[in-house]
Amino acid sequence: GAGVSQSPRYKVAKRGQDVALRCDPISGHVSLFWYQQALGQGPEFLTYFQNEAQLDKSGLPSDRFFAERPEGSVSTLKIQRTQQEDSAVYLCASSLGDRGNQPQHFGDGTRLSIL
Amino acid sequence: AQTVTQSQPEMSVQEAETVTLSCTYDTSESNYYLFWYKQPPSRQMILVIRQEAYKQQNATENRFSVNFQKAAKSFSLKISDSQLGDTAMYFCAFMKHGQGGSEKLVFGKGTKLTVNP
Repeated sequence: GAGVSQSPRYKVAKRGQDVALRCDPISGHVSLFWYQQALGQGPEFLTYFQNEAQLDKSGLPSDRFFAERPEGSVSTLKIQRTQQEDSAVYLCASSLGDRGNQPQHFGDGTRLSIL
Repeated sequence: AQTVTQSQPEMSVQEAETVTLSCTYDTSESNYYLFWYKQPPSRQMILVIRQEAYKQQNATENRFSVNFQKAAKSFSLKISDSQLGDTAMYFCAFMKHGQGGSEKLVFGKGTKLTVNP
């Protein structure tokens, strides 16, 4: 596709359920980032992949959060045993490389609401 | 750790006028990138303009320009001839120029800009 695609666009889950959020980056983009954006705040970094390798997961808030990119393309962010504080927009971004001269292109995000 | 501060939660401007959004940052790095992103209600984050810290010349992109003051750690965005389509949240962001690995963006809290007809 022409841009970064994320699905679902909206997700409602009950507290304690597991959820999976999908990101389909721009074809050929090596780098993939996940960010969490709470209401009224700027995005905060969660994790980074270079191809299939997860090189930085320092932003994941707890061990309930898990991300993968097994074939170096599509990525999935999984949240286990969801809590109300997990409610946020989850943004995915991809870029050709991992330097600032390769801009990050963002998807529309998934708005996650935990009841 | 790097921090980015946007001190103006909300701003408004009349169509066709000029507005400046403020951003300051804190870092001990000497080489880095700074960005302004626009996020309309549709949520997609769109890159507006980028500045490389080692370049003294301020970046410009059509109606958008920055005032980069490295010593003061200030990076403001000027929007000239404001248009209704400029209405959005604007985020200032910092990226460390690293040796490889994660080049994550560190964002400010954003400024909500409204352009009035």
